[in-house]
Amino acid sequence: AQTVTQSQPEMSVQEAETVTLSCTYDTSESDYYLFWYKQPPSRQMILVIRQEAYKQQNATENRFSVNFQKAAKSFSLKISDSQLGDAAMYFCAYRSAEWDNFNKFYFGSGTKLNVKP
Amino acid sequence: NAGVTQTPKFQVLKTGQSMTLQCAQDMNHEYMSWYRQDPGMGLRLIHYSVGAGITDQGEVPNGYNVSRSTTEDFPLRLLSAAPSQTSVYFCASSPLGAGEEGETQYFGPGTRLLVL
Repeated sequence: AQTVTQSQPEMSVQEAETVTLSCTYDTSESDYYLFWYKQPPSRQMILVIRQEAYKQQNATENRFSVNFQKAAKSFSLKISDSQLGDAAMYFCAYRSAEWDNFNKFYFGSGTKLNVKP
Repeated sequence: NAGVTQTPKFQVLKTGQSMTLQCAQDMNHEYMSWYRQDPGMGLRLIHYSVGAGITDQGEVPNGYNVSRSTTEDFPLRLLSAAPSQTSVYFCASSPLGAGEEGETQYFGPGTRLLVL
C-alpha cells in the first residue's frame, strides 16, 4: 500500500508571510494524483489544490502552489501572503491512476497551521 | 445542490449498541467512501463503493458494514459499537472516471461518534 508522510505536525506563520508544508509519499506507480486538503475547525474537508503526476508543471491556485518533485516523491504546499483564514489542518493525499488501485485514497497524518496576526 | 450530507452530526452510544451513519450525495457520483479520522492518524478508509450493489473493504473495515442500494445513499453500520470506534467519520464521493474532476473527492461535514 502507498504511504503518505507529513513530518511537520504543527507549523506557525506570521500573517502576510509565506509558509511551506511538506509531504512525501512512497509508491511504485508511475501515474497518480496528489492533493492538498484543508480542514478548518468546522471539520469540513476542503480541496485546496490537486496535481496530476504526469504533468511536469506545478499546480497553482491563487495564493497556493505546489512544488512537485516526482523523482524525490515530494509534494510540498506553499501558501503565500498567509491570511488568518488559512489557519487549519492540512492533509496531503494520494490516489492511484491505475485501474486496479484507483479506488483508494491515502492520507497523511496532517499538519496544523497556525497564523499569527 | 447540497453536495454530500451526513447525519447525525454527533452521536453518543453505549458499548454493544448498533447504529447507522447516513450519507447521501446529489451529484450522481458513482464512487462513495467512508473514512474515520483519529488524532495524529489522518483519514483512514473504511469501505468504499463504485456503484449501486458494489462495495469493497478499505484499510480498516473491521466492525463496520456497508451497502449501496442506490447511487445517492451509502450508509455505514456499526453492529456492536466498541470504545475503539470513537472517532470522527467522513463520507466522501467522486465521479468514477479519471479526468478534470474524476479523481477528486468531495467530503461531507462529518459525524462525531462517542462510544462509552
